[in-house]
Amino acid sequence: AQSVTQLGSHVSVSEGALVLLRCNYSSSVPPYLFWYVQYPNQGLQLLLKYTSAATLVKGINGFEAEFKKSETSFHLTKPSAHMSDAAEYFCAVIKAGTALIFGKGTTLSVSS
Amino acid sequence: KAGVTQTPRYLIKTRGQQVTLSCSPISGHRSVSWYQQTPGQGLQFLFEYFSETQRNKGNFPGRFSGRQFSNSRSEMNVSTLELGDSALYLCASSLGRAGYGYTFGSGTRLTVV
Repeated sequence: AQSVTQLGSHVSVSEGALVLLRCNYSSSVPPYLFWYVQYPNQGLQLLLKYTSAATLVKGINGFEAEFKKSETSFHLTKPSAHMSDAAEYFCAVIKAGTALIFGKGTTLSVSS
Repeated sequence: KAGVTQTPRYLIKTRGQQVTLSCSPISGHRSVSWYQQTPGQGLQFLFEYFSETQRNKGNFPGRFSGRQFSNSRSEMNVSTLELGDSALYLCASSLGRAGYGYTFGSGTRLTVV
């Protein structure tokens, strides 16, 4: 069964600093991978997804993620953090015939 | 186009009661999945329906059930509510193939007292 591990339940950065949120997956076959963002009292919004077309995936709001099969990782980055990026971020994995499984989430705090 | 609609947004129930939550997917989406989100357990998968058939099921007790109608709308029911069932219940719709991704609704916040 596939699983997702998000390293660091809480990440704090200063405004303008690099954002790096870590995600490692475990799957017996190449999966599809996703990053979602959740603001307080809201549902999940898709940031980006990896579906094997390209290893570097660009998403909304300046976020991107790189799929590294050798490291089984799909880390999320953004060159310059904004205050509005403060939210909870979830990495998720799915393969054909199974359900979408989420990591425990990483709360991103951005200070001015 | 309209997104995923979940009703009601908030619900307060008493322990022992039952509750039904509703989800209307994006038009044309045939897959609906349900998740329970709590601070302690995170996002846990309940079940997925595709064309009125349950396709996947998570590890929840039989008190949690669901169904999907011919118009793809879905309902989930929780019977004999327990305090621990207090959570945000999220519904997600999809075209039905793994790589397409899922679009989530805003959720139903259930509080059991």
